[in-house]
Amino acid sequence: GAVVSQHPSRVICKSGTSVKIECRSLDFQATTMFWYRQFPKQSLMLMATSNEGSKATYEQGVEKDKFLINHASLTLSTLTVTSAHPEDSSFYICSARGGIAGGLADTQYFGPGTRLTVL
Amino acid sequence: GDSVTQMEGPVTLSEEAFLTINCTYTATGYPSLFWYVQYPGEGLQLLLKATKADDKGSNKGFEATYRKETTSFHLEKGSVQVSDSAVYFCALSAPGANNLFFGTGTRLTVIP
Repeated sequence: GAVVSQHPSRVICKSGTSVKIECRSLDFQATTMFWYRQFPKQSLMLMATSNEGSKATYEQGVEKDKFLINHASLTLSTLTVTSAHPEDSSFYICSARGGIAGGLADTQYFGPGTRLTVL
Repeated sequence: GDSVTQMEGPVTLSEEAFLTINCTYTATGYPSLFWYVQYPGEGLQLLLKATKADDKGSNKGFEATYRKETTSFHLEKGSVQVSDSAVYFCALSAPGANNLFFGTGTRLTVIP
């Protein structure tokens, strides 16, 4: 149980285009979803936290207008990288956390990640 | 603020060797503590966790004990296998907080 999927797993795009990444909780309802960015050989950096039906909370230094997050349902969150540039190339990872009733309140379950390459 | 300090790698061990990866934390209150593992080309997977002092998390032969007195959560395994080669992340979640604080990760390579 507690499976999180991400799509696509890899994407290559041209500079200036927008890319949408989907994150889905497959077998539980995720009241909260998180988006991280991981640079090569480094730890994960939290970008934003989103709760279903409300606006995302962004970490300091993360551009809200560049990284658009939508958490439309209890099983789906999307991250859109707008007007992507080569410096946005990275590994983006989402995670999901369930409600207390599911016994998953304090555990985040991670998606497999999406590798974005901007040419 | 809350933080996690993790043993720097990389760590290279022979198969069947004993593994310890140190992790200490700074937090107010009583955080939950986690170890995540990232295999090559994959996302993070929860390896084990502990939610209160003296709890021992265990999974796949790995163990870690929540030590409040030393603010530590060291990861151990008695006999590593080649398939354990991965990056291991220590993390904490503060009470009532949403997010996880991660250590920098420790890359483990097990050679036959």
